[in-house]
Amino acid sequence: GDSVTQMEGPVTLSEEAFLTINCTYTATGYPSLFWYVQYPGEGLQLLLKATKADDKGSNKGFEATYRKETTSFHLEKGSVQVSDSAVYFCALRDGGSQGNLIFGKGTKLSVKP
Amino acid sequence: SQTIHQWPATLVQPVGSPLSLECTVEGTSNPNLYWYRQAAGRGLQLLFYSVGIGQISSEVPQNLSASRPQDRQFILSSKKLLLSDSGFYLCAWSAVPRSFEAFFGQGTRLTVV
Repeated sequence: GDSVTQMEGPVTLSEEAFLTINCTYTATGYPSLFWYVQYPGEGLQLLLKATKADDKGSNKGFEATYRKETTSFHLEKGSVQVSDSAVYFCALRDGGSQGNLIFGKGTKLSVKP
Repeated sequence: SQTIHQWPATLVQPVGSPLSLECTVEGTSNPNLYWYRQAAGRGLQLLFYSVGIGQISSEVPQNLSASRPQDRQFILSSKKLLLSDSGFYLCAWSAVPRSFEAFFGQGTRLTVV
């Protein structure tokens, strides 16, 4: 079945460092891809999305490009802030009629001042 | 605008006691509804989803059940809680026809003691 694999955390960075969180997927068909963010004690919020190959999703300085050839959707940010500390989830939505979201295990990011 | 409400925010229950978590959505009709559980180190696991009133699909057989008595109400229940039911429970909705993203509630932290 469809699955998402993302890098294990935790990831600890200093403020203004460059961030990459790797995400690869396995899916039949052409899924939509997402990054969700979960701040401490809260539910998940959509951070960005891409619905077809070569699309780039971006929001709040974060970017991810849908790479069909490498089945990847890596999350990047050029300069992280303390306020970016959160758990980041990569997810795919399959192309079937149900279209359920399938999540990776999450990567905890801690940014130190 | 659409909103999703989930309560309670935290809950401590003894082993063997019943459970009822409620989720309601406002501002949309006939949403797809979902219950996820987030256990430590295990990411997000889809428990149940519903495409309409009275229609429940279970992804993982376990000690829990779900019901959808009204279009925008989704309830997660258990007759007898187990220690392993502890976790963070998240309700989510997505629009129908298939939308590309899901919207999450704030979550319920359940601790079974």
